[in-house]
Amino acid sequence: NAGVMQNPRHLVRRRGQEARLRCSPMKGHSHVYWYRQLPEEGLKFMVYLQKENIIDESGMPKERFSAEFPKEGPSILRIQQVVRGDSAAYFCASSILGEASEQYFGPGTRLTVT
Amino acid sequence: GENVEQHPSTLSVQEGDSAVIKCTYSDSASNYFPWYKQELGKGPQLIIDIRSNVGEKKDQRIAVTLNKTAKHFSLHITETQPEDSAVYFCAASKGNYGQNFVFGPGTRLSVLP
Repeated sequence: NAGVMQNPRHLVRRRGQEARLRCSPMKGHSHVYWYRQLPEEGLKFMVYLQKENIIDESGMPKERFSAEFPKEGPSILRIQQVVRGDSAAYFCASSILGEASEQYFGPGTRLTVT
Repeated sequence: GENVEQHPSTLSVQEGDSAVIKCTYSDSASNYFPWYKQELGKGPQLIIDIRSNVGEKKDQRIAVTLNKTAKHFSLHITETQPEDSAVYFCAASKGNYGQNFVFGPGTRLSVLP
């Protein structure tokens, strides 16, 4: 049973380019969460999605960031016009239920903006 | 909103000794408290969790205690081994449908052989 998968594992973008991060949840999981981790810091919640719905995006910056979880395919976190401050590790987690259920994390995508 | 504090930020113990990491939370409505272990270059791994209707939970060398009145919970690792070296994060959640986790800043545990 494969765990949460994320790709790419490492992504380098120049300032102003777009970054697309992908997350495939565990089999049977229909809830996806995105978190951002700056170096030497804890994880900060960004957005929570179910299939075809954004449930909570209160942690996501209002500009340049967007997320989706289509009916078919992985969840995608999209960052437009990246800046150096976007450099971080981005983790996706999935759960089978929304209510106080365990969240299982993927290996993360490490984004470096040059 | 919820705020989770975690202490200490770094902890070094000799192999075989015990390690204790403490977290406090601010929102009395939080009722689910997981602990994650993160090794270098990897994603967080769930190691144990506790819900507010339970005061203590144990899984082999790992235990978690919860004091709802004081709003703090602790991770206890006994008979530490070098492979326990990692960064440990506590988190709190209200447990309602779709609630996200609020994480503490992490504790870097080093187990010295």
